[in-house]
Amino acid sequence: AQTVTQSQPEMSVQEAETVTLSCTYDTSESNYYLFWYKQPPSRQMILVIRQEAYKQQNATENRFSVNFQKAAKSFSLKISDSQLGDTAMYFCAFQHGSSNTGKLIFGQGTTLQVKP
Amino acid sequence: EPEVTQTPSHQVTQMGQEVILRCVPISNHLYFYWYRQILGQKVEFLVSFYNNEISEKSEIFDDQFSVERPDGSNFTLKIRSTKLEDSAMYFCASSARQGGGYTFGSGTRLTVV
Repeated sequence: AQTVTQSQPEMSVQEAETVTLSCTYDTSESNYYLFWYKQPPSRQMILVIRQEAYKQQNATENRFSVNFQKAAKSFSLKISDSQLGDTAMYFCAFQHGSSNTGKLIFGQGTTLQVKP
Repeated sequence: EPEVTQTPSHQVTQMGQEVILRCVPISNHLYFYWYRQILGQKVEFLVSFYNNEISEKSEIFDDQFSVERPDGSNFTLKIRSTKLEDSAMYFCASSARQGGGYTFGSGTRLTVV
């Protein structure tokens, strides 16, 4: 069964600094998708970034980028120029590429605190 | 930007009562989901719905749960006889295609007393 592991329960960073959140996953498939979701105190789930496993190029969205290491099954999120509004819980998620359900498998989450 | 709308935002119910959580997915989306998050824990898959039927359900989604898309716009989750351990945040989500990422609703906080 696929699993997603986030080994950092909590992290903190100073405003304007860069922080990297770790995620590893386990799968025997070659076709899949990976996501990072942000959950601020409002508890809304917000898509931050997505990565298709068949693409070697790392995804970027403004200040957010990923380091996708397919062989190592690692998918870390880098947040540059951290802002107070980045304070949230961040979830890494895996989705089968061949599934007809699109189910997401989430990691345990990392709580990120951005300090002024 | 299109949104997934969930109502109510918070519901308190007595143990053993039936609850219906309501969701309006994005209109051109084809895949619909319910997830659950017990406070402070990870988000867990409950059920996926495609082409007017359940496409997958988790072990959590036992006989007390059911889903319905009664009128082509609403997507409901019914819990027939609530238990204390059903207290959680319930998220509805929809997507247009596989791999595109979901749009989540803002969630319904269910408290069973």
